[in-house]
Amino acid sequence: DIVMTQSPDSLAVSLGERATINCKSSQSVLSNSNNRNSLAWYQQKPGQPPRLLFYWASSREFGVPDRFSGSGSGTDFTLIISSLQAEDVAIYYCQQYYSPPFTFGPGTKVDIK
Amino acid sequence: QVQLQESGPGLVKPSETLSLTCNVSGGSMSTYYWSWIRQPPGKGLEWIGYIHHSGDTNHNPSLKSRVTISMDMSKTQFYLRLTSVTAADTAVYYCAGNRELFDPWGRGSLVIVSS
Repeated sequence: DIVMTQSPDSLAVSLGERATINCKSSQSVLSNSNNRNSLAWYQQKPGQPPRLLFYWASSREFGVPDRFSGSGSGTDFTLIISSLQAEDVAIYYCQQYYSPPFTFGPGTKVDIK
Repeated sequence: QVQLQESGPGLVKPSETLSLTCNVSGGSMSTYYWSWIRQPPGKGLEWIGYIHHSGDTNHNPSLKSRVTISMDMSKTQFYLRLTSVTAADTAVYYCAGNRELFDPWGRGSLVIVSS
């Protein structure tokens, strides 16, 4: 199984400031077939199901604000919120879909400082 | 747009079978793969498995042979069956569209395993 790790476990950022979340996979998730990274990001607010934010590591899902950006390749990935808003308080998960069993990171909780 | 809704018993006794239904509305079941994911209270997400109307299915080996995922296109529903449950199976169970990228999601159904 591909093991996903995230850092930090949690972070508190002032409104308008940048939040950076890191995700690492235990093996590369770069697909040879299309040269894309099989890595997704989800946002989960309390009491809600997760919401898909990014796929192929950096492709933004429709409706996701452009203050969110995804990057990385191979085994190391980053989700950045460039200017934190109150509605961004949530837990963020990365997930690999390179090979089953599809696995998620443990999550990073983002709060307001 | 496709909407999903889970239903089933909220309480299951240890060693018994957990059965959940996901009702699909607003789209054709033949368009997507359909998946189940669970989340123990206060913990992270675990992929359970997926199904396609072609018969293609897969599930997480960590659940061994306890999992069965099936579907009934005439009812626009798909199902999760998990046998021999223990307290470790207590979780919010989500149904979701797609095989690898999970979207959309149902609201989730909390299942507690307890005597």
